[in-house]
Amino acid sequence: NAGVMQNPRHLVRRRGQEARLRCSPMKGHSHVYWYRQLPEEGLKFMVYLQKENIIDESGMPKERFSAEFPKEGPSILRIQQVVRGDSAAYFCASSPPIGDTDGNTIYFGEGSWLTVV
Amino acid sequence: GENVEQHPSTLSVQEGDSAVIKCTYSDSASNYFPWYKQELGKRPQLIIDIRSNVGEKKDQRIAVTLNKTAKHFSLHITETQPEDSAVYFCAATYRGGYQKVTFGTGTKLQVIP
Repeated sequence: NAGVMQNPRHLVRRRGQEARLRCSPMKGHSHVYWYRQLPEEGLKFMVYLQKENIIDESGMPKERFSAEFPKEGPSILRIQQVVRGDSAAYFCASSPPIGDTDGNTIYFGEGSWLTVV
Repeated sequence: GENVEQHPSTLSVQEGDSAVIKCTYSDSASNYFPWYKQELGKRPQLIIDIRSNVGEKKDQRIAVTLNKTAKHFSLHITETQPEDSAVYFCAATYRGGYQKVTFGTGTKLQVIP
């Protein structure tokens, strides 16, 4: 049973370019979360999605950032017109459906490290 | 919304000693409290968790306690080893209409050989 899969693992973008980060949840999981982690800092919640629905995007910057989790395919975190301050590790996590016996636990992917030069 | 505070931010212990990390939460509706360990450059990994109907849980050298009345929970690591060196995050989870996970700010644990 593969874990949460993220790609790319490392991404370098020039200022002003777009970054797309992909996340495939664990098999059977229908909830996806995205977190951002700056160097030496904690996990900052960005967005929580189910298939075709954004449930909570209270942690997403209002501009340049968007997320989706289509019916088919991985969840995508998109950052437009990247700036140096976007350089961070972006972690995706997934959890089983609410109502599953242990639906609380979230499992993290290996992360995508974005560097903006 | 939920607010989770975690202390200390850094902790150094001698190998073999115990380490204790404490967290408090604000929302009495939170009902699940996992702990994650993150090594440098790697993903956070679940090491132990506790649900609101339990006061204590132990797994080998790791234990977690929960005081619902005071809204705080703690991680205890006994007989620490150098490989325990990492950043530890606590979290509080509320399962209402949807699941919301709030993390503490992390504790950097250094075990000195």
